[in-house]
Amino acid sequence: DQQVKQNSPSLSVQEGRISILNCDYTNSMFDYFLWYKKYPAEGPTFLISISSIKDKNEDGRFTVFLNKSAKHLSLHIVPSQPGDSAVYFCAASASGGYQKVTFGTGTKLQVIP
Amino acid sequence: EAQVTQNPRYLITVTGKKLTVTCSQNMNHEYMSWYRQDPGLGLRQIYYSMNVEVTDKGDVPEGYKVSRKEKRNFPLILESPSPNQTSLYFCASSFRAGAGYTFGSGTRLTVV
Repeated sequence: DQQVKQNSPSLSVQEGRISILNCDYTNSMFDYFLWYKKYPAEGPTFLISISSIKDKNEDGRFTVFLNKSAKHLSLHIVPSQPGDSAVYFCAASASGGYQKVTFGTGTKLQVIP
Repeated sequence: EAQVTQNPRYLITVTGKKLTVTCSQNMNHEYMSWYRQDPGLGLRQIYYSMNVEVTDKGDVPEGYKVSRKEKRNFPLILESPSPNQTSLYFCASSFRAGAGYTFGSGTRLTVV
């Protein structure tokens, strides 16, 4: 039972354009969401997070949007750069157990120069 | 340098031979966790720990043991490895519940 789903295994975007990575979740108890980036042969790196009390959080070129009613979140990268090419994981946790984090299957982003 | 260190990076072993993957963090983090990554399945949590001597099961704990005798160390123990435990393993730590994890570089385990 995949509680966090990333339905697009891969995405290609031209350099300078916007990258939009999507994530859906099924567990209504999730109230904290994170995005991680992973390069080959390295561990995932924390990118940005959002609490369910917000619907948007920005950090530089990265913005995460949360639509609680649709149980959907997205990561926007603007402008996309070749160095952003990596696998992006969406993750979620619930209050009372934030250390128990459920990850999605990942989306491989390729930014084409 | 703040980091999570896993050893070994690569390991090939035979079915049934007990092994331990070590994990150490130098950030004085309370929380630590083990994940495995498999194609098409993403990262799945094996065990996590909230503090010394406090651990709990993640989503896929079967066949694994952990211990947290010291704050900085969180070893993963496979008492009797089987081929379905062939995977890429990551250890991670965070300073508080809900904060993003800092991950180690991974341990690629092959059980033949």
